[in-house]
Parts: sequence; structure tokens; C-alpha cells
Amino acid sequence: AQSVTQLGSHVSVSEGALVLLRCNYSSSVPPYLFWYVQYPNQGLQLLLKYTSAATLVKGINGFEAEFKKSETSFHLTKPSAHMSDAAEYFCAVSLYGNNRLAFGKGNQVVVIP
Amino acid sequence: EAGVTQFPSHSVIEKGQTVTLRCDPISGHDNLYWYRRVMGKEIKFLLHFVKESKQDESGMPNNRFLAERTGGTYSTLKVQPAELEDSGVYFCASSHPVAEIRTDTQYFGPGTRLTVL
Repeated sequence: AQSVTQLGSHVSVSEGALVLLRCNYSSSVPPYLFWYVQYPNQGLQLLLKYTSAATLVKGINGFEAEFKKSETSFHLTKPSAHMSDAAEYFCAVSLYGNNRLAFGKGNQVVVIP
Repeated sequence: EAGVTQFPSHSVIEKGQTVTLRCDPISGHDNLYWYRRVMGKEIKFLLHFVKESKQDESGMPNNRFLAERTGGTYSTLKVQPAELEDSGVYFCASSHPVAEIRTDTQYFGPGTRLTVL
């Protein structure tokens, strides 16, 4: 069965520092992977997605993620954190045979001034 | 373009009562999904409509949950009777059909926070 693992429910990062959110997936077939972000009082917004094209995927707001098959990972990064990046981030995999999304538990990111 | 909207934003009910949640997808989106996040847990899939037909309802917890999408536009999710464990945030998402269904982008609403006392 396909699934994703996100460790560390809360992540604190200093303003201007690197943002790194880890996501590892489990899938018996080539996965399609997504990162979503939820700002307070808003719906989940797609940051980026991997659909078997380029392994380095660039998304909105300066975020990018790299698909590494050998490590079964799809970590999300942003070189310099901004106060507006404070939100909850979810990694998800699209399940084989349909388009249900299976989500990780999410990372609540706090940006420290 | 209006996004996915959900109503109400919050609902507080007592155990045994009935609650109906509504989702209005983005216009023209044939796919509509319901997900739920119980506190401290992952967001989990409930069901998937294609137009007015239930494509996949394997995530529905039990028969106290009834989803409808009459006319293929908005959808409702009714919980009757509500139990304490039904508390959580219910998200709706919609997407436009694409050739490779696993790659479609699902657009999420802000969710309905349901509290059952």
C-alpha cells in the first residue's frame, strides 16, 4: 500500500534560514507525489507535484522538492524562510489505480524572527 | 475563478444529532472528493464523485455517513446520528478530469470544523 511519512509535527526555523521538510514514501509502483500547504483559515493549496518528469520540481513561493527513488524521499526545501511561510505543510501520494490522496501527518512550521 | 467553498465553516452539535455539510466545487470540475482530518491524525480520504456518481466510497467510516451530489454540482455530506469520534475537519476538494487521473491537481476548500459534544 502506498503511504507517506513526515517526521516532526512541529518545525521551527529562523527567518532567513533554510526550510527543510522531510517526506518519505512507500509505494510498490512509481509514485506521484504532492506537497500541499495550509495557511490559517484557508484550504490546502498545492505547492508542487512530481509526476515522473523532472526529479527536481519547482513550486510556488520559492519552494522546491527533489524526488530520490533510491532514498524513497521527496523532501521539500526553501533556501530562505520568510515569516509568511508559517503554515502547515502536507506531503501526499496519489494511490495507484485511482486518484485518492494519502497524506502524511503534516508539519506545522513556525518561523522565528 | 471562485475556489472550492464549504459551509458551514464550523458546526457544534450534540451526540445523536444530525449535521449536513455542503461543498461547492469549482465550476466545471467533474471530480469531487471528501476528506476528513481527525485531531492529531492524517487527512484521510472518504469518497470520490465523478459528476453525480460515486466512483469510490471506500473511505466512508460507516453507514451513518451519507454523501450526495445531485445534478453533479454541489455535494452534501450528512452525518446521522453524530458520534463523538466524528469530530474533526472535513475537507472537500475538486478537480478537472485529466488523461492521467493520478496526476490531477485537487483544489481544496477551507474545511468544515465539526465538533460533536
